[in-house]
Amino acid sequence: EAGVVQSPRYKIIEKKQPVAFWCNPISGHNTLYWYLQNLGQGPELLIRYENEEAVDDSQLPKDRFSAERLKGVDSTLKIQPAELGDSAVYLCASSSRASGSYNEQFFGPGTRLTVL
Amino acid sequence: AQSVTQLGSHVSVSEGALVLLRCNYSSSVPPYLFWYVQYPNQGLQLLLKYTSAATLVKGINGFEAEFKKSETSFHLTKPSAHMSDAAEYFCAVIPSSGSARQLTFGSGTQLTVLP
Repeated sequence: EAGVVQSPRYKIIEKKQPVAFWCNPISGHNTLYWYLQNLGQGPELLIRYENEEAVDDSQLPKDRFSAERLKGVDSTLKIQPAELGDSAVYLCASSSRASGSYNEQFFGPGTRLTVL
Repeated sequence: AQSVTQLGSHVSVSEGALVLLRCNYSSSVPPYLFWYVQYPNQGLQLLLKYTSAATLVKGINGFEAEFKKSETSFHLTKPSAHMSDAAEYFCAVIPSSGSARQLTFGSGTQLTVLP
């Protein structure tokens, strides 16, 4: 079974430019997460989707960040315009709505963004 | 609000020595606890999890962790370190109940294994 796929793996842009990251979750996983991981830190949740609905986006800086999950499968995270402080790794994860009290999250390899 | 603290951002051990990575949590009720490993340029992989069953949890690659409610701890151990264990390790916590079940990560511990 394929894991969570993210692209690109690396992206270098100049500040004020737009950038987009793409995530394809594990087949059948209805929940999708975007995390921000700064260097030397643990991941922090940006947004969580249940199918196509964003159910938790309280940590998403909405002035420059946006996300979408059309049709409840793939998702795109966009930054416009990018700032120097956005340099980080952006992780995507997915989980299923399986029975039980906790649904394990499976992580993709991440996109490492460098803003110059 | 829940939080998790990992003591020691960098830990070095010799190959074959005991690995001990520390994690303490802060939560009003015992949460679910997890250890993840992250190899360079890769995503996070689940090592093991505590979800209110047995307090001693065994995971992959010979790792285990013990949930101690009295100490609010969930330390990760491995009897004998291998070179391939060198990676960054994250402790994480999620509420055991409620609707706001967000995974909260610690700041990570970088494990170096010396030959």
